[in-house]
Amino acid sequence: AQKITQTQPGMFVQEKEAVTLDCTYDTSDQSYGLFWYKQPSSGEMIFLIYQGSYDEQNATEGRYSLNFQKARKSANLVISASQLGDSAMYFCAMREGATDKLIFGTGTRLQVFP
Amino acid sequence: DAGVIQSPRHEVTEMGQEVTLRCKPISGHDYLFWYRQTMMRGLELLIYFNNNVPIDDSGMPEDRFSAKMPNASFSTLKIQPSEPRDSAVYFCASTPTGGGEKLFFGSGTQLSVL
Repeated sequence: AQKITQTQPGMFVQEKEAVTLDCTYDTSDQSYGLFWYKQPSSGEMIFLIYQGSYDEQNATEGRYSLNFQKARKSANLVISASQLGDSAMYFCAMREGATDKLIFGTGTRLQVFP
Repeated sequence: DAGVIQSPRHEVTEMGQEVTLRCKPISGHDYLFWYRQTMMRGLELLIYFNNNVPIDDSGMPEDRFSAKMPNASFSTLKIQPSEPRDSAVYFCASTPTGGGEKLFFGSGTQLSVL
């Protein structure tokens, strides 16, 4: 069963605009963590943001915020004030407390245009 | 602090040859993960270790793949014999603990099997 679903293969956004990248997940664990990673064309995996299942506040890291809706099992990434350097693949991932595995979604390719 | 170090960065080999990929995790990290990334299948978890012990190898595609972690500072992923469908980027990642700790990724090994 697919544990992490990213339904947007590609997204476009204009520079300086905000963009939301969707992620839904499926788990029966009460304790889990949700992560977003960025992979630019150079190939490295860059950690962006983390949300724990017991965290009541949405996580924020600079221009990145995670819109965590536990009942809907969604963990959308919001990038504010997009920059050209934000063009990359973005992966949502989940780490279940019971297994410690980190499982990735299929990714969303974001392109920021001037 | 040096990050996760993978070698080689690129490997080109012929079908049927043995391939060994190497990984040095960040010192003090108890968990080590091996992932494979392809266009078709995205990022797949192959195997992960905790304190040098393999915990879950359910993602290893078949018996041709094997992974070892003889000590806390070194792990190998071996493919024998290699096949063209093994061509992919192989990532190693480490993290200090379970739960909400992010994974630190190496730069990956680009494997091409001709």
